[in-house]
Amino acid sequence: DFVMTQSPDSLAVSLGERATINCKSSQSVLYSSNNKNYLAWYQQKQGQPPRLLIYRSSTRESGVPDRFSGSGSGTDFTLTISSLQAEDVAVYYCQQYYAAPYTFGQGTKLEIK
Amino acid sequence: QVQLQESGPGLVKPSETLSLTCTVSGGSIRSYYWSWIRQLPGKGLEWIGYVDYSGNTNYSPSLKSRVTISVDTSKNQFSLKLNSVTAADTAVYYCASTADGFSWGQGTLVTVSS
Repeated sequence: DFVMTQSPDSLAVSLGERATINCKSSQSVLYSSNNKNYLAWYQQKQGQPPRLLIYRSSTRESGVPDRFSGSGSGTDFTLTISSLQAEDVAVYYCQQYYAAPYTFGQGTKLEIK
Repeated sequence: QVQLQESGPGLVKPSETLSLTCTVSGGSIRSYYWSWIRQLPGKGLEWIGYVDYSGNTNYSPSLKSRVTISVDTSKNQFSLKLNSVTAADTAVYYCASTADGFSWGQGTLVTVSS
């Protein structure tokens, strides 16, 4: 199975500052035939279901603000929030969907400093 | 964009079978794969398995012996059955469309207790 490890487990950032969350996969999630990484990022606010933010490592889902960006390839990935807003307080998860069983990172809790 | 809604009992007795249904609206169940995921209280996300419109399935190895996921294309629904439940199966259960990432239903809390 693919093991997804996020860092840090929690993060406190000032409003308007940059937030960076890392995700490392135990195996590559890069599909060689199309050069796409099967890695997604989700945001989960308290009491709500997860919301898809980013898929294929760097493609923003429709309606997601452009302050959210994803990068990386192979086994190492990053979610960046360029200018933190109060509504971004949440837990963030990465997920590989390269191969079943699909697996998630343990989550990163993002708070306001 | 498709919308998903979970339904089923919120309380299940130990050793019995947890049964949930997910109704898909705004799109055809013949598109995508369809997954079940759960979130134990205060914990992270655990993928349970998926089904496609033909009934082909793939399950998490850790739950495979107790899980059945099925599809009813006539009703645009898919279902989860988890047997021999214990208190450790108490969780919020989500259904999701499975394509490039998951799009989620609202989730339903299932408590296992006598």
